Amino acid sequence: QVQLVESGGGVVQPGRSLRLSCVVSGFTFSRYGMHWVRQAPGKGLEWVAIISNDGSHKYYLESVKGRFTISRDNSRNTLYLQMYSLRPEDTAVYYCANLGDPSAGLLLDYWGQGTLVTVSS
Amino acid sequence: FVMTQSPDSLAVSLGERAIINCRSSQSVLYNPNNKNYLGWYQQKPGQPPRLLLSWASTRESGVPDRFSGSGSGTDFTLTISSLQAEDVAVYYCLQYYDTLFSFGPGTKVHIK
Repeated sequence: QVQLVESGGGVVQPGRSLRLSCVVSGFTFSRYGMHWVRQAPGKGLEWVAIISNDGSHKYYLESVKGRFTISRDNSRNTLYLQMYSLRPEDTAVYYCANLGDPSAGLLLDYWGQGTLVTVSS
Repeated sequence: FVMTQSPDSLAVSLGERAIINCRSSQSVLYNPNNKNYLGWYQQKPGQPPRLLLSWASTRESGVPDRFSGSGSGTDFTLTISSLQAEDVAVYYCLQYYDTLFSFGPGTKVHIK
């Protein structure tokens, strides 16, 4: 059974940092690139970042580039999102997801339940 | 890749057809394999999204056949042929052609 469990969300002041974690089970974590997707309250889905299966390639939404860092520990089946210089507009539910490997013709649909990050003074 | 959807919101009677449009600012058709790198997601309140259709028109396992997708290149359509109460949700398109994925803004479907 596939499970993705996010943690680390909470209330943080503007300008501060926060690290999200996502512990994965039920599939071979090291085989797949992984994503973070966020959703501001009452708003749509916004793709945030992707990391390759071995962690060597990372790509970001323009508005978080330089402030957020995606990483992974394949020995711990864990995905991370380190967020620096947080802004009120970063307030959202953050989902980790395995969307497969489109370049290999494989789409997957594995999502966590999300963790809420609130940036407010 | 900027994704747009229309309409923003859609009210449909039970049993009637719902049509949602999605447009990409650039083509998501990969010519070597003739596949459109576009998916459709359904999201209900308090839940993560669920993939309904991949490659623009391939239904995922367990998705009712009243959901269908069409289109190619930059213009796509999701059709719900006979709306059921459980289809009330927000629907998103997603392009995965580019390394930086991007979602459409969503279309909210509700019962008239």
